[in-house]
Amino acid sequence: GAVVSQHPSWVICKSGTSVKIECRSLDFQATTMFWYRQFPKQSLMLMATSNEGSKATYEQGVEKDKFLINHASLTLSTLTVTSAHPEDSSFYICSAREQPGPRSYEQYFGPGTRLTVT
Amino acid sequence: AQSVAQPEDQVNVAEGNPLTVKCTYSVSGNPYLFWYVQYPNRGLQFLLKYITGDNLVKGSYGFEAEFNKSQTSFHLKKPSALVSDSALYFCAVRDISGGYNKLIFGAGTRLAVHP
Repeated sequence: GAVVSQHPSWVICKSGTSVKIECRSLDFQATTMFWYRQFPKQSLMLMATSNEGSKATYEQGVEKDKFLINHASLTLSTLTVTSAHPEDSSFYICSAREQPGPRSYEQYFGPGTRLTVT
Repeated sequence: AQSVAQPEDQVNVAEGNPLTVKCTYSVSGNPYLFWYVQYPNRGLQFLLKYITGDNLVKGSYGFEAEFNKSQTSFHLKKPSALVSDSALYFCAVRDISGGYNKLIFGAGTRLAVHP
């Protein structure tokens, strides 16, 4: 149980275009989803926290107009990188947390999406 | 603010030998501590957690971790390392400040197990 998927697993796009990444909880309902960014050989940097049906909360220094997050249902959150540039190339990982309950402190991670902007 | 520190960028160990990956934490209140493992180009896999109870926590793949409150440490251990254990390991602590239940990750420690 507690499986999180991401799509696509990797994407290459041209500079100036937008890319959407999906994060789905497959066998549970996720009230909250998190989006992380990871640079090579570095730790995960939390970008934003999204709660179903409300606006995402962005971490300091993350451009909300560039990284659009939508959490329209209890099983799906999307991250759209708008007007992508080569410096946006990175590994993006999402995680999901179940609805409030005894396991609500645990996060389940997706497999990640490798974005390369040319 | 909550934080975790992983003092070693890399740990090298011979297959069959015991391994330890270090983690220290700084939290206000009771710590919720986690270990995750990441294989190349993959997401994070949960290994184990400490919430309360026994200081020695057993997790997946033969790993265990010892919670030490006096030393504010949560070191990851395994009695006998396998080459397949080679990966990137992250320690994390729960952060509930600001009303959100987030994870704060350490910088990661790369474990290399050689035959």
